[in-house]
Order: sequence, then C-alpha cells, then structure tokens
Amino acid sequence: GENVEQHPSTLSVQEGDSAVIKCTYSDSASNYFPWYKQELGKRPQLIIDIRSNVGEKKDQRIAVTLNKTAKHFSLHITETQPEDSAVYFCAASMNSNYQLIWGAGTKLIIKP
Amino acid sequence: GAVVSQHPSWVICKSGTSVKIECRSLDFQATTMFWYRQFPKQSLMLMATSNEGSKATYEQGVEKDKFLINHASLTLSTLTVTSAHPEDSSFYICSAQISGYLTHEQYFGPGTRLTVT
Repeated sequence: GENVEQHPSTLSVQEGDSAVIKCTYSDSASNYFPWYKQELGKRPQLIIDIRSNVGEKKDQRIAVTLNKTAKHFSLHITETQPEDSAVYFCAASMNSNYQLIWGAGTKLIIKP
Repeated sequence: GAVVSQHPSWVICKSGTSVKIECRSLDFQATTMFWYRQFPKQSLMLMATSNEGSKATYEQGVEKDKFLINHASLTLSTLTVTSAHPEDSSFYICSAQISGYLTHEQYFGPGTRLTVT
C-alpha cells in the first residue's frame, strides 16, 4: 500500500525566514496531496493541496510543489511568522478509496 | 460551510466502561466518514472508514468488536469504545466527505480527548 515519508521531524527557523518541509510517497496512483496544519489539541486544518496534474500551487506565503517522476512534494512557507508555529502533516490520496495516508508530521518552530 | 462537530470534546471514564463518540456533519450530507486516533506527538492513524447504511471497513490491527462504528444516517456516525482500558486513552478525530462529489477533501471534527483511568 501507499507509504508517505516526511522530513524533517522538527524544523526551527528564524522569524521572517523560509521553511521547507518535504514528503515522498510510494504509490504512483496517488493523485491528491494535501498539507495540514495542526495546533496542539486541535483538528488538522487544510492549508493547501495539489493534484497530480499540477506541478506547483501558491497561496500567499504558502506554496506546494510536486514532482511526480520523483514522487515527492514539498511545502514552502515564506516570511515565517510566530503564528506559523505548529505541526504540519503531508498526506497522499488516490481515487480508488479517497483515504488519506499521512506523513509523520513536522514540528515547525518559529524563533522570534 | 462543511462543518463537522464531535461530541463530547473530552471524556474521562473508568477502565472497563464503554464510551460513545458522535461525529456530525452539520451543513452537508456525508456518505463516508473516517475515524482516526492520534497519540501524543504522533500522526493521525486511520482506524476505519464508515459508510452510511453499511458496515465499517476497519484498518489492519483495529479490533472491530472493541471499536464499534455505526453510520445510521447521512449526517451522523458514532464510535463506541467498548470495555475501555488506559491504553485506549487518545485523541479521536472524525472526518467527513461530502456526498455526491468524487472528491478527496475531508472535513475534520474538533476531536475528542478520551482518558481512561
């Protein structure tokens, strides 16, 4: 079955700098790749997603890139702010069952 | 739109008792709902896929007789943790997909913190 790996597990960046989180997936049938932000004790919030027919998507300070050949996708956050501190999860899904296969998560720490 | 609620938000129960958690889609119909468990500092682990009017599909390693799922309507799925033990203490989160759309998007409930003493 599908397997999603996420790196790094912890990322500490200076406020205002950029943060990049990377994920790889194993099943080439996966065609939907969302990113979620989860604050402590709260539900995951979808922050951006990308489908396999697109290579890049951007929403203000957040962007996601997808390389289908290499089977990896990345989250880019620019001009980081303290409120960006949270745990970020990548996931992958395919049309056969629409289940989300989750990465292990990245704890993002924004240093003031 | 696409709001999902969960009740209760937290519950403490004694070992050996059962606990029911409700997941409701408030402004849409959901043929499919998912139940996840999340331990501290870990990722979400899919427990089961709940389909309205049919039996839930459980992931490998999840005991279907211990985690009873009922999806009796298009807006309500329930998870009952039977004979709960301290190791069942966790954060349980449901999500729902909008009926009629072949879509990947899942809308998450706020989660239920279960503590078994």
